[in-house]
Amino acid sequence: DIRMTQSPSTLSASVGDRVTITCRASQSIGSWLAWYQQRPGKAPKLLLYKASSLESGVPSRFSGSGSGTEFTLTISSLQPDDFATYYCHHYNTYHMYTFGQGTKLEIK
Amino acid sequence: EVQLLESGGGLVQPGGSLRLSCAASGFTFSDFAMNWVRQAPGKGLEWVSLTSPNSGTTYYADSVKGRFTISRDNSKNTLYLQMNSLRADDTAVYYCAKDRTLWGMFLFDSWGQGTPVTVSS
Repeated sequence: DIRMTQSPSTLSASVGDRVTITCRASQSIGSWLAWYQQRPGKAPKLLLYKASSLESGVPSRFSGSGSGTEFTLTISSLQPDDFATYYCHHYNTYHMYTFGQGTKLEIK
Repeated sequence: EVQLLESGGGLVQPGGSLRLSCAASGFTFSDFAMNWVRQAPGKGLEWVSLTSPNSGTTYYADSVKGRFTISRDNSKNTLYLQMNSLRADDTAVYYCAKDRTLWGMFLFDSWGQGTPVTVSS
């Protein structure tokens, strides 16, 4: 099974900061990578798919890049609503362990 | 607007059964694969099961294979998850999630609010 590993597990930042979260796959997954945001007590929300395609309605301060085994999610200027947990997800596959373990973005 | 509303969660004893439902609206339900995804307390996300639009193809995570059954009633725009032989490690919030495609890419573009399941004696 392909394993997805996110880093860091926790990230402290301030409003206005630029932050980057990394997701690594244990083997190449092409661009079959999505990012989800989950606010406390809420359902996850799709932000990006195909590594860098922005989901409709998602602010342009969110961007994604990468292919193969290394991917990044960047938030260009943090807003108060962005403090949440972010998950990467290898999709278009029937495998176990397709989600990363999550990165909690906290207010510094 | 896509809406997914789960129900049926609750407290059940180990070895017991529960059936979850997910009522869908705001899109043509029969045109999309549907999924269940769960999240144990304080933990990350785990995909559980997928069904194709006509229920002809279903997939299950190894952790639930043989115990859980996914189904759908397109005439009622409703997705189901029958959970048998429940174990403590099945305790989680269960989310219904719409797939991006008809054939099932495991890309979840809309989610319900979740229904909690607790397996405990």
